Amino acid sequence: GAVVSQHPSWVICKSGTSVKIECRSLDFQATTMFWYRQFPKKSLMLMATSNEGSKATYEQGVEKDKFLINHASLTLSTLTVTSAHPEDSSFYICSARSRLAGVEQYFGPGTRLTVT
Amino acid sequence: AQTVTQSQPEMSVQEAETVTLSCTYDTSESDYYLFWYKQPPSRQMILVIRQEAYKQQNATENRFSVNFQKAAKSFSLKISDSQLGDAAMYFCAYRMDSGGGADGLTFGKGTHLIIQP
Repeated sequence: GAVVSQHPSWVICKSGTSVKIECRSLDFQATTMFWYRQFPKKSLMLMATSNEGSKATYEQGVEKDKFLINHASLTLSTLTVTSAHPEDSSFYICSARSRLAGVEQYFGPGTRLTVT
Repeated sequence: AQTVTQSQPEMSVQEAETVTLSCTYDTSESDYYLFWYKQPPSRQMILVIRQEAYKQQNATENRFSVNFQKAAKSFSLKISDSQLGDAAMYFCAYRMDSGGGADGLTFGKGTHLIIQP
């Protein structure tokens, strides 16, 4: 149980375009979802936290207008990178937590974004 | 703000030997959780072990155990009988316990563990 999927696993887009990444909890209801960013050979940095039906809470330094997060249902959160630039190229990982499932966060497999 | 420090960028150990990965953290909170995550080349984050700050007893999971020193804000991971499959990046992580569960994780920079056959 507690499986989180992400789609796509790898996406290449041109500079200036927008790209959407989906994060789904497959077998539980995710009351909270988190988005992390990981640069090559670096640590994970929390970008934002989203609760179902509420606006996302962004970490300091994360541009809200560039990284749009929507948590429209208890099983789906999306991260849209708007007007992508090469410096947005990174590995994006989501995790999900259920209020009923204790303290753990369950991680998705990540999405590699390359902006050319 | 909370910080997590892993001072060992890379560690190497012989197969079947024991290795300890270090982690220190800084927080003014009294209630929190500490975690060790493993990230293999697939980049899927895998929970290795969890420690609740209010528990004095060190957590253990089979070959993995922690040494949690709350006063010293230290949280090391010991891997016994190292196996080739243990080779990965290991991240120490902190999560505040605000009661609502909507707190994200703060990660250390990671330790790359190499297992020598």
